[in-house]
Amino acid sequence: NAGVMQNPRHLVRRRGQEARLRCSPMKGHSHVYWYRQLPEEGLKFMVYLQKENIIDESGMPKERFSAEFPKEGPSILRIQQVVRGDSAAYFCASSPPGTGAVGYGYTFGSGTRLTVV
Amino acid sequence: AQSVTQLGSHVSVSEGALVLLRCNYSSSVPPYLFWYVQYPNQGLQLLLKYTSAATLVKGINGFEAEFKKSETSFHLTKPSAHMSDAAEYFCAVSDVTSGSRLTFGEGTQLTVNP
Repeated sequence: NAGVMQNPRHLVRRRGQEARLRCSPMKGHSHVYWYRQLPEEGLKFMVYLQKENIIDESGMPKERFSAEFPKEGPSILRIQQVVRGDSAAYFCASSPPGTGAVGYGYTFGSGTRLTVV
Repeated sequence: AQSVTQLGSHVSVSEGALVLLRCNYSSSVPPYLFWYVQYPNQGLQLLLKYTSAATLVKGINGFEAEFKKSETSFHLTKPSAHMSDAAEYFCAVSDVTSGSRLTFGEGTQLTVNP
């Protein structure tokens, strides 16, 4: 019973390139959440998605960042034209259907550590 | 808006000593509170959560936390520290206004000395 799978674990990009981070939720889970952890900081919410729908993107930067969770395949967090300030650990979490409500402690993946050089 | 304050970014205890990690929250409506643990280069693992049932919540690995509304606190404790408890601990809050979105504290790095 695999947990939340994120890949790659480590990603190095040059300034101006695109970064694609993938997240496969736990089997049977239909809710996906993305969080970002900057160095020496706690996690900050970015976006909450269900299959083919963005439910809450209040934490997403207005430019260069986008997320999707297609009907088939993993959720993708895309960062265009990366800058040094995008260097961080990006964590994905998932939860089962019917648990997108308050109070559910969802399961996190091991994260993708993005380094922009 | 919610917020979480974790007092002490670094806590150091001796093996076998009491572990106390402090968390205070701010929420205009009844909160849901969580403690997560993060080991180096790993994701976050849920230790325990409070969702308006019993105020004393027991979690994994011998940890527990007590919800105190009057103090707006949700401190994490463990009677006897083990070397394997060394990690970073995060307190988080959500409520009906934020839905499934969690607001995390800055984290407390726990060191356990032999």
